[in-house]
Amino acid sequence: AQTVTQSQPEMSVQEAETVTLSCTYDTSESNYYLFWYKQPPSRQMILVIRQEAYKQQNATENRFSVNFQKAAKSFSLKISDSQLGDTAMYFCAFMNDQGAQKLVFGQGTRLTINP
Amino acid sequence: DAGVIQSPRHEVTEMGQEVTLRCKPISGHDYLFWYRQTMMRGLELLIYFNNNVPIDDSGMPEDRFSAKMPNASFSTLKIQPSEPRDSAVYFCASSPYVGAGSGYGYTFGSGTRLTVV
Repeated sequence: AQTVTQSQPEMSVQEAETVTLSCTYDTSESNYYLFWYKQPPSRQMILVIRQEAYKQQNATENRFSVNFQKAAKSFSLKISDSQLGDTAMYFCAFMNDQGAQKLVFGQGTRLTINP
Repeated sequence: DAGVIQSPRHEVTEMGQEVTLRCKPISGHDYLFWYRQTMMRGLELLIYFNNNVPIDDSGMPEDRFSAKMPNASFSTLKIQPSEPRDSAVYFCASSPYVGAGSGYGYTFGSGTRLTVV
């Protein structure tokens, strides 16, 4: 079974700084998808960014980018020019490309952006 | 598009009572998922449906939990009888297609916070 590990339960940075959230996963599959979801205090789960494992190019979405290291099974999220609205729980998630395609989540990292 | 709609947003009930959580997926999405979020266990998949048919209910914790999807626009998750350990946030999510080469990820509802006292 696939597992996703987020080793940083909490992080805190100053506004406008850059922050990197770590995620590692375990799988024997070659094709899969990785995601970062944001959960602000409103509780809504919001898709931040998506990476396809067979694409070498790292995904980017405005201030959000990933560092995908397939051999190391690592998938970190970088937030540049952090804003107060980035304060949230961030979940890394894995999905197989075959079979049931269930999303498997890590335990989350609580990120606080301080003014 | 109104997104995935869940109701109620909050539910407080007494132990032993029946609880029904409701979900309306995004129109055209073939897949519907129910997740539970707790501090101890994180986000757990309880059950998912494809075209209204339950495909995998291996995450349903016990027989007190049941889920139905009578049509493409409505699903329920029922707990009977409820217990304090069922207190959690329950999310519904939907996806347009789940198959090789898709990997869309899901669209989540805003969740129902259930408190059983």
